[in-house]
Amino acid sequence: AQRVTQPEKLLSVFKGAPVELKCNYSYSGSPELFWYVQYSRQRLQLLLRHISRESIKGFTADLNKGETSFHLKKPFAQEEDSAMYYCALVDTGRRALTFGSGTRLQVQP
Amino acid sequence: EADIYQTPRYLVIGTGKKITLECSQTMGHDKMYWYQQDPGMELHLIHYSYGVNSTEKGDLSSESTVSRIRTEHFPLTLESARPSHTSQYLCASSGMGDTEAFFGQGTRLTVV
Repeated sequence: AQRVTQPEKLLSVFKGAPVELKCNYSYSGSPELFWYVQYSRQRLQLLLRHISRESIKGFTADLNKGETSFHLKKPFAQEEDSAMYYCALVDTGRRALTFGSGTRLQVQP
Repeated sequence: EADIYQTPRYLVIGTGKKITLECSQTMGHDKMYWYQQDPGMELHLIHYSYGVNSTEKGDLSSESTVSRIRTEHFPLTLESARPSHTSQYLCASSGMGDTEAFFGQGTRLTVV
């Protein structure tokens, strides 16, 4: 069965520090992975997807099939990055998302 | 404006009551989903639909039921609410050829 694991419930960093939010997955086949973000009092929204290979708000994520990881990184954290971050995997059979438990990122001034 | 709407945002209701959580989207999407999320936990898929008259159960067993009579509308019903149903319910939709899901604001349900 497919599974997404986010080992950290909370990650606290200072403004300007590098950030890495960890995501590991188990999936037989070629995965399609996403990062979703939920800012305070806002709805869950797509941050980036691995197939687009783009940088959004300074965040990037690289799919590492050998380590079955899709970690989210940003070189210099900003206070406005404080939010809940969810890693997600598409179930190719149902075309529905399987989510990890989320990591709360706190960026302190 | 294309969007996905959930009502109510918050609901406190007594045990044994029947409730319906509404979800509507004006995005022209065929696929719709319901997720359940307890605080600090992952989102669990409880129902999904590929289109009108299509409904399927998700990963998490749920006593709720859904219907899809119109493309834009995907309500979730609990015939007899219990305290164990207390949770946040998120509705989402996506286009048939796409995997990006768009989420509503959610309904936070408390059963007392």
